[in-house]
Amino acid sequence: AQRVTQPEKLLSVFKGAPVELKCNYSYSGSPELFWYVQYSRQRLQLLLRHISRESIKGFTADLNKGETSFHLKKPFAQEEDSAMYYCALIMRGAGSYQLTFGKGTKLSVIP
Amino acid sequence: NAGVTQTPKFRILKIGQSMTLQCAQDMNHNYMYWYRQDPGMGLKLIYYSVGAGITDKGEVPNGYNVSRSTTEDFPLRLELAAPSQTSVYFCASKGQGGTGELFFGEGSRLTVL
Repeated sequence: AQRVTQPEKLLSVFKGAPVELKCNYSYSGSPELFWYVQYSRQRLQLLLRHISRESIKGFTADLNKGETSFHLKKPFAQEEDSAMYYCALIMRGAGSYQLTFGKGTKLSVIP
Repeated sequence: NAGVTQTPKFRILKIGQSMTLQCAQDMNHNYMYWYRQDPGMGLKLIYYSVGAGITDKGEVPNGYNVSRSTTEDFPLRLELAAPSQTSVYFCASKGQGGTGELFFGEGSRLTVL
């Protein structure tokens, strides 16, 4: 069965320190993965998608099919990065398109 | 564009009461979704729709119903509210093709007492 695992509920780092938010997945098909972010009092929004191989707000994420991982990384954390982060996996079916989310990791950047 | 609009933002219900959470999008998106967000549990899919007139169950559909009479609207109905339905509910939509990005509403916080 498809599953997205984010092992850390809470991650606290100091400003300027590197950040790595872990995400592991299990899926029998070809995985398509996203990172969504929810800042305080804001709606959930897309941060990154693996197919774009882009860097957004200094964050990057590489899909590692061997380790079935899609960890989110940033070399130097900023206070404004404090938020809830969700890893998500696309499941495509006949005419359907669903996103399965992990339980989320709350990132707290300490000034 | 307003994007995805949810109403109400907050609601308190008594056990056994019924209510409808409204969701509307003005992006002409085919796909629409209802998720619930519980602390420490992430987002779980309740129902989804791939177009007007078509709905299907997600992971946690029990106690809920949906309809999709128009492309724009996707209301979620709670028939007999229970404390276990206390949660934050998010509606989302996605266009056909494209990047696969879901656009979310601001959420509706429901408390059942």
